[in-house]
Amino acid sequence: DGGITQSPKYLFRKEGQNVTLSCEQNLNHDAMYWYRQDPGQGLRLIYYSQIVNDFQKGDIAEGYSVSREKKESFPLTVTSAQKNPTAFYLCASSIPLAGGMGTQYFGPGTRLLVL
Amino acid sequence: AQTVTQSQPEMSVQEAETVTLSCTYDTSESDYYLFWYKQPPSRQMILVIRQEAYKQQNATENRFSVNFQKAAKSFSLKISDSQLGDAAMYFCASMGPISSGSARQLTFGSGTQLTVLP
Repeated sequence: DGGITQSPKYLFRKEGQNVTLSCEQNLNHDAMYWYRQDPGQGLRLIYYSQIVNDFQKGDIAEGYSVSREKKESFPLTVTSAQKNPTAFYLCASSIPLAGGMGTQYFGPGTRLLVL
Repeated sequence: AQTVTQSQPEMSVQEAETVTLSCTYDTSESDYYLFWYKQPPSRQMILVIRQEAYKQQNATENRFSVNFQKAAKSFSLKISDSQLGDAAMYFCASMGPISSGSARQLTFGSGTQLTVLP
């Protein structure tokens, strides 16, 4: 089945530790995105990538890093510089058609907790 | 920059009845796209319905329809014949055209929690 997978479902981070969240898609989508969701709030964009080997900062990129070495994969690293990482993280992908709608489809999410 | 406002943090509806969720947005773009996503307790974001701003006709998807008022910058979601499975958090979102430099970024509202009463 085509879709977006995220792993792990739950992740625990110790103080000062970097952790990496996985996002994989087999939809052949060019664009991929990372969002953060805090309790009772909407989603905020962390990073996005339109094509392989290229990515851009979103609204809240500080303390996060990404890579896009393969079309199918867009891992997110939460670094020790992110002082409040506890949140729900959602990955999305889309076909960035010029002039088109570029609807984003989402993975199941990863819940990150700080120990 | 785009902003999206959902003024109803919580709504409830009786099963089989109709409910309307409100959304207003602000944008300087003439071409943009609007979406409603649903987030059930599983927390996966599921696309409900989408609308291109240049289309005057309101989008419909089975029991879901929108009332798109471009001049008023309003984009409400109507759910007809509500079912227990419709209970979820509903998010309104907007996206600018690719030429705007927003590069397909979605801007979300804060959500409306919908409860369906049996």
